[in-house]
Amino acid sequence: QSVLTQAPSASGTPGQRVTISCSGSSSNIGSNHVYWYQQLPGTAPKLLIYRSNQRPSGVPDRFSGSKSGTSASLAISGLRSEDEADYYCAAWDDSLSGPVFGIGTKVTVL
Amino acid sequence: EVQLLESGGGLVQPGGSLRLSCTVSGFTFSSYAMNWVRQAPGKGLEWVSGISGSGSSTYYADSVKGRFTISRDNSKNTLYLQMNSLRAEDTAVYYCAKDLGLVPAAAHFDYWGQGTLVTVSS
Repeated sequence: QSVLTQAPSASGTPGQRVTISCSGSSSNIGSNHVYWYQQLPGTAPKLLIYRSNQRPSGVPDRFSGSKSGTSASLAISGLRSEDEADYYCAAWDDSLSGPVFGIGTKVTVL
Repeated sequence: EVQLLESGGGLVQPGGSLRLSCTVSGFTFSSYAMNWVRQAPGKGLEWVSGISGSGSSTYYADSVKGRFTISRDNSKNTLYLQMNSLRAEDTAVYYCAKDLGLVPAAAHFDYWGQGTLVTVSS
């Protein structure tokens, strides 16, 4: 059972906006930044969002992150077929003294 | 170009040992903490262990504490994970991941290797 809670799946049609939520507690999301990782089928995870709402160089601005209290969300606007992947949220947990991940949300483009 | 290349995975019997390696290039290895993150078949990501840039501080998930040992050789740009007393539940793809800073303090892994599969089975 993961420390961070994510819905296992989400879907949308091309061009739609999809939002993925991540819920934690005061020891992780409530007191630390949130990170989002994209894992395309058969590949290693890739950093998508850092420090809750920052995009690394090369990540399209269709991807955006936000955080409020003990929850965070990742939004994908203008959904494309190549966005079909698993998305994981992560945060440092002060109680565990280590990073924790959500179970991952599989995004399907219909 | 930053590159991380894991090796050492394979099939091992329960109770056995295995040592994973991760050789890196493209950045000053000693300036960054490094981590191991694993993914069981069909499952999500789980952080396993982290080590500071100097190697003086190490960190472990409760699930592997006392069984796994992380280390690094900065002269060889190589990260290691010694895995002892392996269990079936340790079966996973093991990724090495570069940290943002000198000491693990955030879930910020900016570069990942391609992973190496460890299978624990009799």
